[in-house]
Amino acid sequence: ETVMTQSPATLSVSPGERATLSCRASQSVSTNVAWYQQKPGQAPRLLIYATSARATGVPARFSGSGSGTEFTLAISSLQSEDFALYYCQHYNIWPPRNTFGQGTRLEIK
Amino acid sequence: DVVLVESGGVVVQPGGSLRLSCATSGFSFDDYAMHWVRQAPGKGLEWVSFISWDGGRTYYADSVKGRFTISRDNSKNSLYLQMNSLRDEDTALYYCARDGCSSRCNLFYMDVWGKGTTVTVSS
Repeated sequence: ETVMTQSPATLSVSPGERATLSCRASQSVSTNVAWYQQKPGQAPRLLIYATSARATGVPARFSGSGSGTEFTLAISSLQSEDFALYYCQHYNIWPPRNTFGQGTRLEIK
Repeated sequence: DVVLVESGGVVVQPGGSLRLSCATSGFSFDDYAMHWVRQAPGKGLEWVSFISWDGGRTYYADSVKGRFTISRDNSKNSLYLQMNSLRDEDTALYYCARDGCSSRCNLFYMDVWGKGTTVTVSS
């Protein structure tokens, strides 16, 4: 089973600055990586799928990149509403598998 | 608006059974595969189960295989999760989520989530 490891566990960034969150897969996962945002008391929200495609309604300041085993979620010019928990996910159609990373907490510096 | 509303979460004793429901609206339910995902208190996300648009294919995480059964009723736009032989480690917030692929296909990421229903397994 593919293990997704996110780093850092906590990232402190000032509003207006850029944040870069990392996700490493234990084996190559092609481009089947998604990113979700979760705020306290709320359900996760899909941000990015297929490594770099933004979900409907997601602001352009969110971008995803990567391939193979290394993936990145970048948030340019952080807004107050961006401080939250972020999860990466490897998804596989066959064999059917879904693995989430342990999360990165993005906090205000 | 696309809406998913979970229900059925309660406190149940170890070894007990429970059925979760997810009522959906705002989209063509029978065009979409669906998932259950859970989150233990203070922990991360764990995918639990998948069902294809027509109910013909189902998949489970190893942690619940043989104990949980996913099903759907397209005439009622509803998704279900039958949970048997519950364990302490099944305590979690259970989310119903829509697969990201429309038109009777599946991609295994989730584009819409409900707010969840809480299952507590405790004696």
